[in-house]
Amino acid sequence: DVKVTQSSRYLVKRTGEKVFLECVQDMDHENMFWYRQDPGLGLRLIYFSYDVKMKEKGDIPEGYSVSREKKERFSLILESASTNQTSMYLCASSLGGAGAVYEQFFGPGTRLTVL
Amino acid sequence: QQPVQSPQAVILREGEDAVINCSSSKALYSVHWYRQKHGEAPVFLMILLKGGEQKGHEKISASFNEKKQQSSLYLTASQLSYSGTYFCGTEGLSGANNLFFGTGTRLTVIP
Repeated sequence: DVKVTQSSRYLVKRTGEKVFLECVQDMDHENMFWYRQDPGLGLRLIYFSYDVKMKEKGDIPEGYSVSREKKERFSLILESASTNQTSMYLCASSLGGAGAVYEQFFGPGTRLTVL
Repeated sequence: QQPVQSPQAVILREGEDAVINCSSSKALYSVHWYRQKHGEAPVFLMILLKGGEQKGHEKISASFNEKKQQSSLYLTASQLSYSGTYFCGTEGLSGANNLFFGTGTRLTVIP
């Protein structure tokens, strides 16, 4: 059974803290993605990665960075958390390849609250 | 680049049909459809590719009009289990493998 796991379901942090959200997939997927989901705004892409040590900005990268040191792990980093980063964060992965189209598998999400 | 979905919400009785639309201002290579139940992760339903190929759910149908950059998801003879929020995700012609998701359509099926 394919699986994407995220390190926490719920997280509460204080303004200014550095926050790490971890995502691990066991499907040997090339592509990994980080989204945030807010009511009425749908899923918005923060960053994605095609391969180890490779990253691309999505729609809303400001205030975030990512790290992909191993194929199975993709980390989202909030350098200095702010209250407007309170949201649900979803990680996803998919097979990759130029010109190929594959479904994305999502993790259960991390609900982050920044106080 | 976010596609526009309509309607935003719909309530159906069991057995009724629904259509959810997704429209993009950009030329598209593919359209993906996902369903998210409350408190759960989005789950893949279907991919529609430029050129007419489809991959996905046997019990759900969809169309993709490449010229209009529009896709529609058809839910027929709805069941209670169809309730959830439906998202379309669009992929542009660059082949970059990343999707832009719409804001979602909340579908509620009542007995």
